[in-house]
This record gives sequence, C-alpha cells and structure tokens, in this order.
Amino acid sequence: GQQVMQIPQYQHVQEGEDFTTYCNSSTTLSNIQWYKQRPGGHPVFLIQLVKSGEVKKQKRLTFQFGEAKKNSSLHITATQTTDVGTYFCAANAGGTSYGKLTFGQGTILTVHP
Amino acid sequence: NAGVTQTPKFQVLKTGQSMTLQCAQDMNHEYMSWYRQDPGMGLRLIHYSVGAGITDQGEVPNGYNVSRSTTEDFPLRLLSAAPSQTSVYFCASSMGMEANQPQHFGDGTRLSIL
Repeated sequence: GQQVMQIPQYQHVQEGEDFTTYCNSSTTLSNIQWYKQRPGGHPVFLIQLVKSGEVKKQKRLTFQFGEAKKNSSLHITATQTTDVGTYFCAANAGGTSYGKLTFGQGTILTVHP
Repeated sequence: NAGVTQTPKFQVLKTGQSMTLQCAQDMNHEYMSWYRQDPGMGLRLIHYSVGAGITDQGEVPNGYNVSRSTTEDFPLRLLSAAPSQTSVYFCASSMGMEANQPQHFGDGTRLSIL
C-alpha cells in the first residue's frame, strides 16, 4: 500500500528557533494535508495542499507541496511554546485509493523556553 | 454542534472479550473512518465508509468489524480482544465521499487489553 515517510521523528528546539518537518511519498499524491496533535489531544486539521508547487502560509507556518507532488514540508518560524505537539502529514493518492488517507509517522516537537 | 463524539473515553478489557467503540457525528458527513494510534507509527487506517451501507478495509483491518447503517453512526467492533489491540482509537469524519477533505476527529478512546 501507499507509504508516507515523515522525518524527523523528534525535534527539540529552543524557543525562537525555526522548525521543519518533511513528508515524502514514492507515488504521486492527489493532495496532502497537515494536522497538529497537542499532547493528550486529537489531531486537528491545519491545511490542505492540492496544486504542484503550492505554498501556503498561516502566520508563522509555511506549507509547501513539491513540484512532482511527491513531497511536502511544514516550516515554523520562531517557534513558541504553544507550538508543542505532534505534526502529521496525511496523503491521498486518489484514483482507486480515493477513500484512503495515509498518515506519516509524525514529528514530535518540543520547545524549550 | 457536538462534532464527532466517541464513547467510551477509556476502557480496559481482558483478552478474548469483545466490545464496540461508538462513534457518532452530527455534521451530516458522508465519509467516516477509524484509526488506531500507536507510538512512533502515526495513525493507521482500520476501516472507512464513504456513506451509509458502504464500508471498506484500511491498512490494518484484521480483528475489527464495522458497519454503517446510518449516516451519523460508525461503530467499531473488536471481536476477540488481543493485547496487540491496546491502542488509542480515533474516529474521524469529513464531507464528500473521498479522503480529500479536512478530517474532523473525535477525542479518542484509550483501550487497554490485559
């Protein structure tokens, strides 16, 4: 089945430092979504990317979708303690897999004040 | 709106017992799904449904059954619980019949199998 690899698994930063997590797929994706899960909570939708080369921003968060639609990244500028949590990408390959959303393993972000 | 409601929030079972995890949504979403979350493995799709009366298997369906008799409800049944099924289970729903819309998650059920 489709696999989505996400790296790194863990990231520890000092408050104010930047953070980036990456997702890679061996197959072309129809779209990719990003979620944030606070400790003890449930995943919360952040954004969806659909177009090749798409870049979207939400305040300090920048999301990119690769030109070949096989990779994506989430970059946080100047992290804050409120950014703590696990960030997941989730991909849909479309076609016969239209009903299946595959999640990456997640990146656990710790921010030290 | 309540969104996606999962019950129970916590459950402890003995090996071999059966139980049903409940999931209900009040957003009239066609697409519903069940995931299990284990450390270091992200969320893995168990079963999903694109509408009432339609279900399909995800990545890890063995040991689990689902049904979708109404748009609102999507229960997950553990037939004979095993320790390997100890996990956090999340139900999610979204608009449309494809997994290309924002997923709305419930608060999860934390399940321990002894």
